[in-house]
Amino acid sequence: EAGVAQSPRYKIIEKRQSVAFWCNPISGHATLYWYQQILGQGPKLLIQFQNNGVVDDSQLPKDRFSAERLKGVDSTLKIQPAKLEDSAVYLCASSPVTVQGHGYTFGSGTRLTVV
Amino acid sequence: AQSVTQLDSHVSVSEGTPVLLRCNYSSSYSPSLFWYVQHPNKGLQLLLKYTSAATLVKGINGFEAEFKKSETSFHLTKPSAHMSDAAEYFCVVSERTGRRALTFGSGTRLQVQP
Repeated sequence: EAGVAQSPRYKIIEKRQSVAFWCNPISGHATLYWYQQILGQGPKLLIQFQNNGVVDDSQLPKDRFSAERLKGVDSTLKIQPAKLEDSAVYLCASSPVTVQGHGYTFGSGTRLTVV
Repeated sequence: AQSVTQLDSHVSVSEGTPVLLRCNYSSSYSPSLFWYVQHPNKGLQLLLKYTSAATLVKGINGFEAEFKKSETSFHLTKPSAHMSDAAEYFCVVSERTGRRALTFGSGTRLQVQP
């Protein structure tokens, strides 16, 4: 089966610019997650969707980050305006709703550099 | 709430010697536990998972981990290190049902010396 697709793979922007990342989950996976992985750290959950509804966005910096999942399939994560500390790899993952324990599939990520 | 503590940020072993990467977790419910590996500039790969069945879990590439509830630990071991095992390893906890978002530890970098 096809994996979780993310684009772009790399992005370099100047601080205060805006940027958007795209994720296409595995077909049929109702749950979609965005994680932020800063260099030298473990990934941190930013937002979790189930279908097109938000389950948890408690760690999303809402003054600059936004995410949507229209029609419960693809998702877009946006940063506006970007700060230097937003430099990180942004990982998208998806899982079925009913599978216990695991079922996660991660995408390859988008590496963002803010200069 | 849930959290994971990886007790060593850096572990160095010689090729052919045993590997031990330590992990302690905190959870207010019965958790699922995982180990992921991340090679440089590569994606996350699942090594093994514990979801309530056998407490000794075998994974890929000869790795295994033992769930010890009394010690709230889930240490990762391998009898004999290989050069290709050099990577970053993450211990991860999640709920078994419900939200099931993953909480990652800070990672342990494994170095394998020839």
